[in-house]
Amino acid sequence: QLQLQESGPGLVKPSETLSLTCTVSGGSLRSSSYYWAWIRQPPGKGLEWIGTIYYSGKTYYNPSLESRVTISVDTSKNEFSLKLLSMTAADTAVYFCARQATAGARKLAWFDPWGQGTLVTVSS
Amino acid sequence: DIVLTQSPGTLSLSPGERATLSCRASQSVNSNFLAWFQQKPGQAPRLLIYGASNTATGIPARFSGSGSGTDFTLTISRLEPEDFAVYYCQQYGNSPGTFGQGTKVEIK
Repeated sequence: QLQLQESGPGLVKPSETLSLTCTVSGGSLRSSSYYWAWIRQPPGKGLEWIGTIYYSGKTYYNPSLESRVTISVDTSKNEFSLKLLSMTAADTAVYFCARQATAGARKLAWFDPWGQGTLVTVSS
Repeated sequence: DIVLTQSPGTLSLSPGERATLSCRASQSVNSNFLAWFQQKPGQAPRLLIYGASNTATGIPARFSGSGSGTDFTLTISRLEPEDFAVYYCQQYGNSPGTFGQGTKVEIK
């Protein structure tokens, strides 16, 4: 059974860079059928797609965050990572990683399964 | 970006009742590429429905999805105690994919 687990600091100072890693177990990142995504959820609010990566390294980002986001993949460790620059209080959220399915010609479809999420708070 | 508006914001029902949740898109969703998720407090979202009407693996038959174009519905035929949660729709037919703001189904 595929499982995903986020790891990284729970507290980041304003203006600093957030670095999170998602470790995949029970399956390989090197699947041609799936992509790998980051999604976030501010406390008490809705969900926002951050970006997605394919095992080859091809990335897709939400235009609203693209200038600050980098997602990378390490297939030897079966993990992928998120970097988000210039963090502010508005970036305080639970950050989830998830596998993203494809749907016909549509590369980026639904998310399943998800990691449990990690709360990142931006505060000095 | 496509904006998804979910209604109602909160649905107060009793176990055994039928729940009907709406997700309306600001423009037509390509190929009815719409998914529904369930989220319980402190947990990650769980996929229920994809492609507007396809039930995900392991999801009970009481959950069903319907709709096309700009109007989509999630129906829970008879609410079980474990179904009280927040439900989100997500469109993936247009880039960037977007989520609705959620509907909370609470015990009346």
